[in-house]
Amino acid sequence: EAQVTQNPRYLITVTGKKLTVTCSQNMNHEYMSWYRQDPGLGLRQIYYSMNVEVTDKGDVPEGYKVSRKEKRNFPLILESPSPNQTSLYFCASSLSEGLLNTEAFFGQGTRLTVV
Amino acid sequence: GQNIDQPTEMTATEGAIVQINCTYQTSGFNGLFWYQQHAGEAPTFLSYNVLDGLEEKGRFSSFLSRSKGYSYLLLKELQMKDSASYLCAVAPNDYKLSFGAGTTVTVRA
Repeated sequence: EAQVTQNPRYLITVTGKKLTVTCSQNMNHEYMSWYRQDPGLGLRQIYYSMNVEVTDKGDVPEGYKVSRKEKRNFPLILESPSPNQTSLYFCASSLSEGLLNTEAFFGQGTRLTVV
Repeated sequence: GQNIDQPTEMTATEGAIVQINCTYQTSGFNGLFWYQQHAGEAPTFLSYNVLDGLEEKGRFSSFLSRSKGYSYLLLKELQMKDSASYLCAVAPNDYKLSFGAGTTVTVRA
């Protein structure tokens, strides 16, 4: 089954404790992206990757890191999480290198709480 | 930055038609997307417009006017399962995607 898989689905952590949210897709998609979703603000793009070893900042990259060593995986790293990073996170992938006329497939989301 | 506006909430009756408007001011334009998101779930793709005009897909249609920075999503013959948030998103270039805050549609019997 074609899908984008995120883990974990739920995570409660403490301020400053490094964490990684994994994202994997099995559709051989070139483009992958991370978003956070907050009430009243909608989805905001954190980082995106056009292909292996090619990543760039979205609108809200501060406090996050990503890597794209393999096509299928695009982990999101929070080196020192803070309470303002409490949010619902979505990973998404698209077939082509760019967004032109391509739908994004989203993972099921990771609800992160930083205390 | 990018500015994408859509109403926060709309309510309609089963079987009716609802139109969700989206206006945008972005640094560039490479297409406009509509996504549907049910509560607690991931967004799913509904439509994509890059040229002016109406795109119809079953009960859902999406319209774009690039000169006015305006789009709408039309939902016809509303069903209870259409109760969801509808997200308008604009790609200002090939790689970035900016979303509006979403419109929550409630369908009443």
